[in-house]
Amino acid sequence: NAGVTQTPKFQVLKTGQSMTLQCAQDMNHEYMSWYRQDPGMGLRLIHYSVGAGITDQGEVPNGYNVSRSTTEDFPLRLLSAAPSQTSVYFCASRIFGTSVTDTQYFGPGTRLTVL
Amino acid sequence: TQLLEQSPQFLSIQEGENLTVYCNSSSVFSSLQWYRQEPGEGPVLLVTVVTGGEVKKLKRLTFQFGDARKDSSLHITAAQPGDTGLYLCACRVSNDYKLSFGAGTTVTVRA
Repeated sequence: NAGVTQTPKFQVLKTGQSMTLQCAQDMNHEYMSWYRQDPGMGLRLIHYSVGAGITDQGEVPNGYNVSRSTTEDFPLRLLSAAPSQTSVYFCASRIFGTSVTDTQYFGPGTRLTVL
Repeated sequence: TQLLEQSPQFLSIQEGENLTVYCNSSSVFSSLQWYRQEPGEGPVLLVTVVTGGEVKKLKRLTFQFGDARKDSSLHITAAQPGDTGLYLCACRVSNDYKLSFGAGTTVTVRA
C-alpha cells in the first residue's frame, strides 16, 4: 500500500493563479480531509469528505474548493491564489465510523508559496 | 481561539533528560490523540486515549488522559535525538468525527 500520496511536493505560484493539489489514498477510506499548517497554529481543517459525492467545509474553507468523484481521490483547488495561502498542505484519510480510536493517516504534504 | 492549548511551544533538552508536554482545554473530549511530525513529513499517530485517567506507555513515552477528559500529557523518559520532532495533540468532541489539533510543541533533543 502506498497510503496517502500528494502531488506536487513543492509549488510556487503568483498571486491570482489557480492550481489543484492532488491527493490519493489506496486504503479504501471513506473519510478524507485537507489541512493547512502554519507556524504556531497547528493543523487547521479546510474541507473534508465522508464519501464520494459528499463534501463539507472545515474551519478555514475560503479560497478553496474540493470535489470527491471517487473514493480514492480528493483534490484541493485554489481558485485565485493569495499570499495568505502560503502554507504547507496535508491530506489525510481514515475509516469513517463511530470509533473514536480510528487512525488518521497523513500524506507527506505540499509546500506552497504564493508570491 | 484554539480548542486545544499546548505547552510549552518549544522545548530543547540534552540527551538523557526527561521532558513533559501538556495539552489542555476547557472542553470534554470523547478521545484525544498524540501525533509526532518530523521535518518534511506528515504527522504520524502515536497513541489514542479514551478513558478518563487512562495511562498508556509506548517504550519511553508515557501518555496520560486527565480524569475529567479535558487535558492530557506526554512524558518522555531519557530522551534521545530520535525523539526530536513536533508533537501534536488532537481531539474529537462528542458526536463529531472531525479532528481538531493543537498548535504543537517542538521538541529538540541535543546529542
